[in-house]
Amino acid sequence: GQNIDQPTEMTATEGAIVQINCTYQTSGFNGLFWYQQHAGEAPTFLSYNVLDGLEEKGRFSSFLSRSKGYSYLLLKELQMKDSASYLCAVMDSNYQLIWGAGTKLIIKP
Amino acid sequence: KAGVTQTPRYLIKTRGQQVTLSCSPISGHRSVSWYQQTPGQGLQFLFEYFSETQRNKGNFPGRFSGRQFSNSRSEMNVSTLELGDSALYLCASSLVGGVEDGYTFGSGTRLTVV
Repeated sequence: GQNIDQPTEMTATEGAIVQINCTYQTSGFNGLFWYQQHAGEAPTFLSYNVLDGLEEKGRFSSFLSRSKGYSYLLLKELQMKDSASYLCAVMDSNYQLIWGAGTKLIIKP
Repeated sequence: KAGVTQTPRYLIKTRGQQVTLSCSPISGHRSVSWYQQTPGQGLQFLFEYFSETQRNKGNFPGRFSGRQFSNSRSEMNVSTLELGDSALYLCASSLVGGVEDGYTFGSGTRLTVV
């Protein structure tokens, strides 16, 4: 079956750096997405990786290793507003998005 | 530019009833996908429509159906509601459902079945 694994919850301190990991096993691969979802709100697009390597966008970076079925989202200079759930999703060979259950990130002052 | 609009925002229904949810995508977006989200579970893919055709379907029973109109607006219908259908239903639109443009989500419809 298809599977996306990410930690259920993580805690970090304001101003620090946190890395959220995502491992996947899917039927084919057509890219990996990261989304941010604040409680009670819609998920919002953060990043898309289809080739190995690191993609940087301001305070957020996303890394992909296709051979290892692994990605991480790196958040730098954490702010209180970064408290949210972070969703990892992989597009499989049928161009269907398979989602992880999400990682709830708690930022403490 | 208006975002993805889902109506209604909240809905309470009784077991056995049916419900229709609506999604208006961003203007110009032709792909609409529907997801079910429950606490502790990832988004579960229901189906995707592109140019009025169902292009992809997830593993949900036939009680869940959908359609897309010529203006790209989409509706999702659930018949014979069960308690387990209580969830947040999200729709997402994209230009062509491809990978590069990303998906924009609506705020969702929270369905409670009692």
